[in-house]
Amino acid sequence: AQSVAQPEDQVNVAEGNPLTVKCTYSVSGNPYLFWYVQYPNRGLQFLLKYITGDNLVKGSYGFEAEFNKSQTSFHLKKPSALVSDSALYFCAVRDGASGGSYIPTFGRGTSLIVHP
Amino acid sequence: DTGVSQNPRHKITKRGQNVTFRCDPISEHNRLYWYRQTLGQGPEFLTYFQNEAQLEKSRLLSDRFSAERPKGSFSTLEIQRTEQGDSAMYLCASSPTGGSTDTQYFGPGTRLTVL
Repeated sequence: AQSVAQPEDQVNVAEGNPLTVKCTYSVSGNPYLFWYVQYPNRGLQFLLKYITGDNLVKGSYGFEAEFNKSQTSFHLKKPSALVSDSALYFCAVRDGASGGSYIPTFGRGTSLIVHP
Repeated sequence: DTGVSQNPRHKITKRGQNVTFRCDPISEHNRLYWYRQTLGQGPEFLTYFQNEAQLEKSRLLSDRFSAERPKGSFSTLEIQRTEQGDSAMYLCASSPTGGSTDTQYFGPGTRLTVL
């Protein structure tokens, strides 16, 4: 079984400040981890993923995420938030073990609000 | 625009009616996924195709739901005898085989309202 938890329904941050959106996961095999962003009236857009390798993954729009195996976390970060980053963010996981499903499980989403 | 497209974007129907949605994936992608998203939730998997073969179906997909991808290109999702609980955003995504199989590209969704 695989699952994702996004403990915060909403994150508020001032423009220019660093932001963190939290994600923890549970998977029996190797975790493949993803972040997607959803703007109003738009489909989900891929931001970044961790499959293997360096624990710090860099993605689109200046976002990055750090894979922490001991804490089973994959928090999304950005050093300096922009008002235009305000959107809904989804973390997802799938089991990368051989024979595993290609289907990811998504978290409930975290609404990021960046204040001017 | 060469992204994933979905039609219609909005559908309002009366309870008991049948509805059909269409998804056109990115042309070179042979994997296609359908999800359902309700307010305050992340996308929930419904079904998955590789080419024309439907390889996985969620337990969420009751017998009133059917999906097809007859030629391995576009896909349709039909809901028969709609219920108010079917009101949701229906998302389609596609991904390629090969190196970036795990990156899914989503369409804008079809918002279904059942009155």
